[in-house]
Amino acid sequence: KAGVTQTPRYLIKTRGQQVTLSCSPISGHRSVSWYQQTPGQGLQFLFEYFSETQRNKGNFPGRFSGRQFSNSRSEMNVSTLELGDSALYLCASSFLQGPEQYFGPGTRLTVT
Amino acid sequence: AQSVAQPEDQVNVAEGNPLTVKCTYSVSGNPYLFWYVQYPNRGLQFLLKYITGDNLVKGSYGFEAEFNKSQTSFHLKKPSALVSDSALYFCAVRDMLVLYNFNKFYFGSGTKLNVKP
Repeated sequence: KAGVTQTPRYLIKTRGQQVTLSCSPISGHRSVSWYQQTPGQGLQFLFEYFSETQRNKGNFPGRFSGRQFSNSRSEMNVSTLELGDSALYLCASSFLQGPEQYFGPGTRLTVT
Repeated sequence: AQSVAQPEDQVNVAEGNPLTVKCTYSVSGNPYLFWYVQYPNRGLQFLLKYITGDNLVKGSYGFEAEFNKSQTSFHLKKPSALVSDSALYFCAVRDMLVLYNFNKFYFGSGTKLNVKP
């Protein structure tokens, strides 16, 4: 069974631009969560989607948004990029009741 | 409030020696506990989980973890460390009784394990 895939793996953007990251969960997994990982802040929860609905949201500004499609694939968008948005963005998927999540390789975003 | 604490930023151990990476948790209901490992520039890999049953849980790559309800701890252990075990380790918890957040994970800050030859 294929694992969680994320595209692109690396991105370089400039301040003020926007970016869209994509995540394809493991087949059959309907829950997709997004995390931001930085050296200083560790792993921070962004949001979780299930059946195209956002069920949980972390403490991030409205510039961070996401959505989930009917095939469970998910995208997250960051608008008006700031230098502090440079991070590894991780996507994880699980069955409805999990219990564990499985992570993709991440997208490394660099904002210059 | 749900939370996970990993009190050590870094653990150093010599190859062949036993290792322990500590984790304590706080949840309002019954905990589901997990350990993940992350190698440089990679995502997190699932190592093991505790749901119910035996307090000693065995996982991938020879790792095991001991659940202690009275101490609210879930320490990761391995009897004999390998240089290739050097990585970043994360402890995580889910509170299965909080229905609206039942798929929300809480991660610790991570512990860097250094295994020296």
